[in-house]
Amino acid sequence: AQSVSQHNHHVILSEAASLELGCNYSYGGTVNLFWYVQYPGQHLQLLLKYFSGDPLVKGIKGFEAEFIKSKFSFNLRKPSVQWSDTAEYFCAVNSRDDKIIFGKGTRLHILP
Amino acid sequence: ETGVTQTPRHLVMGMTNKKSLKCEQHLGHNAMYWYKQSAKKPLELMFVYSLEERVENNSVPSRFSPECPNSSHLFLHLHTLQPEDSALYLCASSHHRADTQYFGPGTRLTVL
Repeated sequence: AQSVSQHNHHVILSEAASLELGCNYSYGGTVNLFWYVQYPGQHLQLLLKYFSGDPLVKGIKGFEAEFIKSKFSFNLRKPSVQWSDTAEYFCAVNSRDDKIIFGKGTRLHILP
Repeated sequence: ETGVTQTPRHLVMGMTNKKSLKCEQHLGHNAMYWYKQSAKKPLELMFVYSLEERVENNSVPSRFSPECPNSSHLFLHLHTLQPEDSALYLCASSHHRADTQYFGPGTRLTVL
């Protein structure tokens, strides 16, 4: 069965630290990959997505993610986090047979 | 603001009540979704509608009944709910099923 794993449930970092959030999925076919973010008190919104092409994708607010097909991974990165990045981050995988699955989410807390 | 609205934003109901949640989008999207977001569980996809047809029902109890009268509106009818159904219910829409989803703010439901 399809699944999405986010390895870190709760991450605490200081401002200016580098961030990497892991996401692995299990599905053998072609996928669309997403990272969504939910800032405190706000809607879930798209951070970035990968459909095809360059496996390194850039999103809003300086975030990027790299799709590594051989590792079934789509890790999210940011070189220097800010206090305003405090939020919950969700990895999602949408297979081409249109099944979408979200990971359990990672709560990121940035210390000022 | 994502273009997806949900009403009411908060709802408290007894186990014998009947209520409905409403979702509306004017983004021209063809797919709409209901999700359940609980504190200790991952985001759970409940129902998917594509071109007003229900295409996915993820083993949701019959006390939840969706309705999609047109491509802009989605309802979730609730009856004889249980306290464990208390959660944030999110609506989302997308151009088609494999595409980026736009989420509403959610309805915070409390079942007494």
